[in-house]
Parts: sequence; C-alpha cells; structure tokens
Amino acid sequence: GAVVSQHPSWVICKSGTSVKIECRSLDFQATTMFWYRQFPKQSLMLMATSNEGSKATYEQGVEKDKFLINHASLTLSTLTVTSAHPEDSSFYICSASPSGTFNTEAFFGQGTRLTVV
Amino acid sequence: GENVEQHPSTLSVQEGDSAVIKCTYSDSASNYFPWYKQELGKRPQLIIDIRSNVGEKKDQRIAVTLNKTAKHFSLHITETQPEDSAVYFCAARTGNNNDMRFGAGTRLTVKP
Repeated sequence: GAVVSQHPSWVICKSGTSVKIECRSLDFQATTMFWYRQFPKQSLMLMATSNEGSKATYEQGVEKDKFLINHASLTLSTLTVTSAHPEDSSFYICSASPSGTFNTEAFFGQGTRLTVV
Repeated sequence: GENVEQHPSTLSVQEGDSAVIKCTYSDSASNYFPWYKQELGKRPQLIIDIRSNVGEKKDQRIAVTLNKTAKHFSLHITETQPEDSAVYFCAARTGNNNDMRFGAGTRLTVKP
C-alpha cells in the first residue's frame, strides 16, 4: 500500500519552544492530509484538515494559532506546535489518501510522540 | 459533523472464542467504514473495511457487517488468538469532506 512518513518519531522539547512535525506521502500526491492527536489509552481525535495551497480547517476547540499547519506541496504537510506546554505532550499522527480518491483507505504516518518538559 | 460511538471499551475472550465490536455513526452521508488495529505506540493498521453499498465483507477470520438503515456496523473476529490482542478502532468517512472520525476504541484481550 501507499506510504506516509512522519518525522520525527519522537521529540522532547522545553516548555515555551516550538516543535515542527512533518508528514510526507512518499509515493502518492495528497491534496488533503489529516492531523490527529491521541492521548494515552484514548482514541484518535481529529485536530485539523490540511489543504494543499489553502488554509487548514480546524476542529472545534483546536487553537489554530497554537497548532500551525502548512501544506505547501502535494506531498508534505507540517504541524508546528507553538509555545509548547506540558499539556501539549501527546502522540500526534497524520493520515493521507491519494488525491482524487474518496471513501478509500487512509494511510497513517508512524506518529510523533511529543514530550514537553 | 460525524459522531462515531464504539462498544465495548474493553473485551476479554478466551482463545478460540469469537469477539464482536459494535459501532454506530450519526452522519447518513458517511459511506466508508474501516476498522483499524493499533498496537501500543504504533500507527493504526487497516484490518478490514466496508463501503456503504455492501452489507457484509469477510476476510478469513475477520468479518464486518453494515446496517445503513440503523447506521451501525460491527467487527467480528472468530477463532481468536493471543496475537489478536490490541486496541481496535472503528471509523467512518464521509464523501463530503473525506475526513475520517474514529470511535473511542476497544481494548481486546485474548487469553491463552
């Protein structure tokens, strides 16, 4: 199947700093990518929909100024956690499907475990 | 927006028994329903999926059923094995914006 690569796999940062997470579709183009957040023993919560060439669509309750999303190309979306705090510590995971497909499998990155100290 | 509910949250079965996990969804426009298996700290892995024009799909020990009228779908695992132990998530995807919403997850434990 298609491959989505997420980087880094884990990161530890100091409170107040920013962290950028990359999500790449390696063998297909993705007009849309999705960012999820998962707390321990909980489900994947959709944070935002990343749209190539336009603004991301954020879910209710997700601060767009804190979680900056950029989707500058058809194969790359980035999530930047700005001014990170310990409560931002979580597992962040992206997904994507080939452009032009609907109602098909979503391919997930391997996830990024963020720890803010 | 779409709301997906999943039950039970935990399920423990004896090896060889069957396991059933149920989900309901709210958006009648949803038309793609995958099931994912996730091991600790790893990405979800698709195990089976079904589209809204199909009522049932089977792949070896795994089957999924869909009732569009009632807006519910279920995962059935037969002859369970210890390696089936994991967290399982159902999801629903709408054709409108193509986003995918997940159920809360079911932690399945298969006892040898």
